[in-house]
Amino acid sequence: TQLLEQSPQFLSIQEGENLTVYCNSSSVFSSLQWYRQEPGEGPVLLVTVVTGGEVKKLKRLTFQFGDARKDSSLHITAAQPGDTGLYLCAGHTGFQKLVFGTGTRLLVSP
Amino acid sequence: DAMVIQNPRYQVTQFGKPVTLSCSQTLNHNVMYWYQQKSSQAPKLLFHYYDKDFNNEADTPDNFQSRRPNTSFCFLDIRSPGLGDAAMYLCATSRDPGSNSPLHFGNGTRLTVT
Repeated sequence: TQLLEQSPQFLSIQEGENLTVYCNSSSVFSSLQWYRQEPGEGPVLLVTVVTGGEVKKLKRLTFQFGDARKDSSLHITAAQPGDTGLYLCAGHTGFQKLVFGTGTRLLVSP
Repeated sequence: DAMVIQNPRYQVTQFGKPVTLSCSQTLNHNVMYWYQQKSSQAPKLLFHYYDKDFNNEADTPDNFQSRRPNTSFCFLDIRSPGLGDAAMYLCATSRDPGSNSPLHFGNGTRLTVT
């Protein structure tokens, strides 16, 4: 079983702070996706990274895929209350399925 | 808007009483997935269909079954729900099983077992 460990599990910060969420595995993934899930809703895709070392930016969010395609990070600059949610990384095994990470629950207070 | 729709949003069933959750999609995607998500945990894949080809995860209990009568619809049947089956059940679709194909999720059905 390919496992994706996310850290931290829970993060509570004030509006305006920066933060980084990590997603680590001992397995190599053909691609990695990041999703955000709000209470009572399904996860929504934020980004897909495919190439080792790739960096993608989505407004205040910066995603990086590790050189060896085993890990990824999500950095949020100047967090806002609207960023609150469950952040999930998910690795594609190449066999028709996505394996989700353990999740990071972010709470941004005004 | 093309989307993934799950019904009902909330389902209450009794211990041991069969229950069916439904999912429909207007995206015309080839792949449909069922995930189980327990409180504050990541979604866990139960099974998926690639067209009519059913793929069960090795650790999915026999209590969980699925049907896909056509491209648009997929059902999750829980034959004898136990208290441990209370969870959010998420349906998702993707255009193809390739690594760059994102998943589109419905808003889930929250199942309560009494």
